[in-house]
Amino acid sequence: EVQLVESGGGLVQPGGSLRLSCAASGFTFSDHYMDWVRQAPGKGLEWVGRTRNKVNSYTTEYAASVKGRFTISRDDLKNSLYLQMNSLKTEDTAVYFCARVEGRAYYYYMDVWGKGTTVTVSS
Amino acid sequence: DIQMTQSPSSLSASVGDRVTITCRASQSISNYLNWYQQKPGKAPKFLIYAASTLQSGVPSRFGGSGSGTDFTLTISSLQPEDFATYYCQQSYSTPLTFGGGTKVEI
Repeated sequence: EVQLVESGGGLVQPGGSLRLSCAASGFTFSDHYMDWVRQAPGKGLEWVGRTRNKVNSYTTEYAASVKGRFTISRDDLKNSLYLQMNSLKTEDTAVYFCARVEGRAYYYYMDVWGKGTTVTVSS
Repeated sequence: DIQMTQSPSSLSASVGDRVTITCRASQSISNYLNWYQQKPGKAPKFLIYAASTLQSGVPSRFGGSGSGTDFTLTISSLQPEDFATYYCQQSYSTPLTFGGGTKVEI
């Protein structure tokens, strides 16, 4: 079964750091780009960023709202995706989802999602 | 950044109704448009890519159309399990952006 499981969420004070993990199983993790998407309480979906695969040099891209504070990385040997979050702000409070990116002739979409992990930034 | 605007933000419908949701991009995105369904407390579920191509396993009552800046998601005959929030998302360029969502209520 194809599965993504996030972990590492919790309560952190403003200015603090947190590292989220996403464990993948049931597919060849190294082949895929991977995304992080978040959802603030009662709000819509917001793309956080992407890591590409080895063939594409593991390049990363970020939303402007997190660029310079968040870092996406991956360990293909451990089938794991990570989101290092620094200098956290109250507006980073959200459920964070990891998602597998599939591609068909340059059409890319997030076809598998984890259940999410909750990050609360509050003093 | 490309802005995605959905309308309406919510709608009320009955089982068996035909439902249409609109998504507009702030610039042309060709047909690089995806649709997702999300139920309360759950992760989004992928439905459609390339504006009109159904993901395997998605019921045929779901349909997508459009190109350029204007897109629609249509549910031909609403079923009880279709009550959810629907999001469009452009995959034309990064940063990827989602529409604000359309909540389909009973």
